[in-house]
Parts: sequence; structure tokens; C-alpha cells
Amino acid sequence: DAGITQSPRHKVTETGTPVTLRCHQTENHRYMYWYRQDPGHGLRLIHYSYGVKDTDKGEVSDGYSVSRSKTEDFLLTLESATSSQTSVYFCAISAGQGYEQYFGPGTRLTVT
Amino acid sequence: QKEVEQDPGPLSVPEGAIVSLNCTYSNSAFQYFMWYRQYSRKGPELLMYTYSSGNKEDGRFTAQVDKSSKYISLFIRDSQPSDSATYLCAMSYNTGGFKTIFGAGTRLFVKA
Repeated sequence: DAGITQSPRHKVTETGTPVTLRCHQTENHRYMYWYRQDPGHGLRLIHYSYGVKDTDKGEVSDGYSVSRSKTEDFLLTLESATSSQTSVYFCAISAGQGYEQYFGPGTRLTVT
Repeated sequence: QKEVEQDPGPLSVPEGAIVSLNCTYSNSAFQYFMWYRQYSRKGPELLMYTYSSGNKEDGRFTAQVDKSSKYISLFIRDSQPSDSATYLCAMSYNTGGFKTIFGAGTRLFVKA
């Protein structure tokens, strides 16, 4: 998985609790992305980062925040988890060419 | 209407068959066209990408782009059971940063 790890790999949490997912890369790539994958919707971009402390929203950013304090780490926080955020979350990285993205193994999140 | 449409399948073929996977799109700004393969419970893996129209071949895989018809294809020759996976198309254009949209994916089963 191109030097990308995600933690945790699986998580079950209750509605209303905050949750933080971590993406770590060893490739020193500038761009990092968070996606969610749901049946029938494919991959949808939540947030992305184009450098340390530089982030921007994707198409489904409501209810999510991100932070990137180091090149290698990109954190996704669900501020108050809802059942609609039950999904598989993927982190991706790219060196600069955004069309060439490499994905992590995913985090399976269930909100009960 | 989604920007990228992809038949979810499933598509079931016998080993050795030629497989054709397709996507249509509506945004004429797309410049880069990618195919990803995703095995069950794994992250997507970039198979190949093409720029603008034309064909690109890599081993048993051929990607074809027809911008006039807004239609892209991935052909798999001599399909193997190990090709059984979900195939996602994706398309990008540069707006000062790359915007990438993914199709929902087609599930392919290759029977031995």
C-alpha cells in the first residue's frame, strides 16, 4: 500500500462521540486525501491537504475536520459521530499529480 | 446526473475471456483518465492512467479513451481468477489543483 498506514483499521463507536482516524505515510508526498466509500457512491472526497497546515474541503466535508501538523500525518476527526458516517474511510497520497493517487488499506468505522 | 457513471455489475466471465469495463462522463474538462483495481477489503490500487484521448496498453490491460463520446474503457485480455475484483474508473482535471471524480466501481468475477 505504497508506504501508507491507517489506524485504527476497525472501530465501533456510539452516536455523539468524537472519533479521530490517522493516516501516516513514509513517501514524503505533498498531497494527502481522505475519502469515504459507500455502496453505490464510490469514493467521495472529504478533505485534502496540499502541505503542512494547508487543507481544503472536498464534496462531503460536513461533520468532519482535518489537521496536518507534519508531512507524514493527516488526521480526520468526526466531531460528533452519526450513523450516516458509518463507512469505510481511505487515505490517499500523491506526489503532486493528483490524478496519480495511492491508497491506504482503509478504516472500517461503524457508528451505532 | 452524476459526473461519472459506471455500471456496478456484477460481471461474471469464464477464465480466458476478454473483459470490457466502461464508464461514461459528462464533464468535458476531464483530462486524465484512470483505472483502479480494488480487492475485497483492500484499498484501491492504481492500474493505469491515460491523458486525453487514445489507447494505452500495459500487459493484459488496455485503457481506451474516446473524448468525443465521453466514454472510457478498460479491456482485460486472457482474464484470470486473480482479476476478480472491483474496478473503479476515475477522471481528473486541473483547476489550479486536481479535481478527481471516481465511478462507483464494477464488480468482476472471473470463474476458473
